[in-house]
Amino acid sequence: DAGITQSPRHKVTETGTPVTLRCHQTENHRYMYWYRQDPGHGLRLIHYSYGVKDTDKGEVSDGYSVSRSKTEDFLLTLESATSSQTSVYFCAISESSRASTDTQYFGPGTRLTVL
Amino acid sequence: GENVEQHPSTLSVQEGDSAVIKCTYSDSASNYFPWYKQELGKRPQLIIDIRSNVGEKKDQRIAVTLNKTAKHFSLHITETQPEDSAVYFCAASTGTASKLTFGTGTRLQVTL
Repeated sequence: DAGITQSPRHKVTETGTPVTLRCHQTENHRYMYWYRQDPGHGLRLIHYSYGVKDTDKGEVSDGYSVSRSKTEDFLLTLESATSSQTSVYFCAISESSRASTDTQYFGPGTRLTVL
Repeated sequence: GENVEQHPSTLSVQEGDSAVIKCTYSDSASNYFPWYKQELGKRPQLIIDIRSNVGEKKDQRIAVTLNKTAKHFSLHITETQPEDSAVYFCAASTGTASKLTFGTGTRLQVTL
């Protein structure tokens, strides 16, 4: 597995509380991504980053924000968690040699439950 | 944006038989098509991918075919084994920031 870790691996929180998930890579890859995985929906892109301080929205970005202050870390924040954000969150990284059509490697995932 | 449809949603085959999973995509600019395997509770892992300049790619028991005209691609697994049981996802990318659009997954069960 590529050098990707996610923390925490499991979290239970209450509606309305802020939550931050962390993705850490040791591969020095330029691109990092956050996905959520829900039954019947596959994996859907939330936000992605193409460099330090450079981020953009994916298809399901409402209610989420991200930050990337270092190449190795990509943070996903739920400012005020809702039950609809209960999901499994995966981070992914992509090599920096070319911007197009590079393989994505996934982290182990974080299971988030919002009560 | 891109839309990827995947069929079937579930597939049961006997050990030793072949399995075929099909995906269609909507954006003719898509040029990269990976397939991921996800075991229960694990992360998705790339098993094979194909780029738009080739029509077929093989890796041992796994093959992927691409028909750009019809905008569909398929995963073929031959001589299936119990360890092939998992959820398989197709995806497509136009190349912009290597963003992927995923299908909704196929749960493959290989029975003895």
